[in-house]
Amino acid sequence: DAGVIQSPRHEVTEMGQEVTLRCKPISGHDYLFWYRQTMMRGLELLIYFNNNVPIDDSGMPEDRFSAKMPNASFSTLKIQPSEPRDSAVYFCASVPQSGRWDTQYFGPGTRLTVL
Amino acid sequence: QQQVKQSPQSLIVQKGGISIINCAYENTAFDYFPWYQQFPGKGPALLIAIRPDVSEKKEGRFTISFNKSAKQFSLHIMDSQPGDSATYFCAVQDTGGFKTIFGAGTRLFVKA
Repeated sequence: DAGVIQSPRHEVTEMGQEVTLRCKPISGHDYLFWYRQTMMRGLELLIYFNNNVPIDDSGMPEDRFSAKMPNASFSTLKIQPSEPRDSAVYFCASVPQSGRWDTQYFGPGTRLTVL
Repeated sequence: QQQVKQSPQSLIVQKGGISIINCAYENTAFDYFPWYQQFPGKGPALLIAIRPDVSEKKEGRFTISFNKSAKQFSLHIMDSQPGDSATYFCAVQDTGGFKTIFGAGTRLFVKA
């Protein structure tokens, strides 16, 4: 089975540019999470969806960040405009509906560098 | 606010030794306590998890010890191997849903 798929794996952009990160959750999983990982702040939850609906976006750092889940198999995290402090590894994770105790299945991450 | 405090930040252990990583949490509403393992260039992956109704859970060389009254839990890796070298994150999950809060991580290096 394919796990969580993220693209691109690496992204280098210049300050002020729009960046779009993509995630395909595991088929059948109803929850999708976006995380950001940095050395300074560790692994931070940005937003999560249930059945394509955003449930908690309190971790989204500012209005420059937005996330969508147009269908059960695709989500995007957009940063517009990007800033150097957005440089981080962004992970997507999914969880099945079967129970609260289920593990989160993480994708390989997108390493974003904003110059 | 920091709801999960993890220590140490880094750990060096000889092959065959015991690795111990500790976590403390602040909110009693947390009721699921997983540990994740992350290798360089990869996403975190669940290693082992415990619920607060038990004080210990063991899976192979990995054991979680849980102290509900002290609001602390720890990961013990017995007979540590070089392949265990990775970053380990403790995490807590609240009773309200799936929101998971991660500790800062511990970089473990097992010397051959």
